[in-house]
Amino acid sequence: QQQVKQSPQSLIVQKGGISIINCAYENTAFDYFPWYQQFPGKGPALLIAIRPDVSEKKEGRFTISFNKSAKQFSLHIMDSQPGDSATYFCAASIDSSNTGKLIFGQGTTLQVKP
Amino acid sequence: EAQVTQNPRYLITVTGKKLTVTCSQNMNHEYMSWYRQDPGLGLRQIYYSMNVEVTDKGDVPEGYKVSRKEKRNFPLILESPSPNQTSLYFCASSLGAGQANTEAFFGQGTRLTVV
Repeated sequence: QQQVKQSPQSLIVQKGGISIINCAYENTAFDYFPWYQQFPGKGPALLIAIRPDVSEKKEGRFTISFNKSAKQFSLHIMDSQPGDSATYFCAASIDSSNTGKLIFGQGTTLQVKP
Repeated sequence: EAQVTQNPRYLITVTGKKLTVTCSQNMNHEYMSWYRQDPGLGLRQIYYSMNVEVTDKGDVPEGYKVSRKEKRNFPLILESPSPNQTSLYFCASSLGAGQANTEAFFGQGTRLTVV
């Protein structure tokens, strides 16, 4: 059972364009929603995260939009650059469970063409 | 430098030959976990540890063992590897569960092939 569903599986964007990756979750107890970025040969690294008390969080060119009623959240990369080419994972967790466990989406491979 | 170190980075082994993948973190983190990454499936948690001598199963624990005798180390043990355990493995650590402590730091991964 995939508790966090991510789409699309792959994405090709022209330099300067907007990249959008979507995630949907099932468990309403989730209260922490991070996005991880992974470059080839490297481990995932935290990119940006949001908690359900806000609907949007922006850090530079990266924005998370969160829709609690629809149980969906998305990552927007503005002015996409070739250096953004990587695999992106959304994730969710329940902080109050005290396990620190992250449930990951399936991943999206982003290619930004120059 | 704060980091999570896994060894080896690459490993090819034969079915049934016991192996251990080591993981060490230098950030004094309480929480450590192991994930496997497979195409189309994302990262799935194998085992986790909330502190020394405290471990529990994740979502895909079959065929794996772990131990946490020291805070910094969390080895992953495959007693009798099988080809379906061919995967990319990541160790991760975080300060501890709770609102401000959930960022996970990942190692660079171990690419395991079981033939």
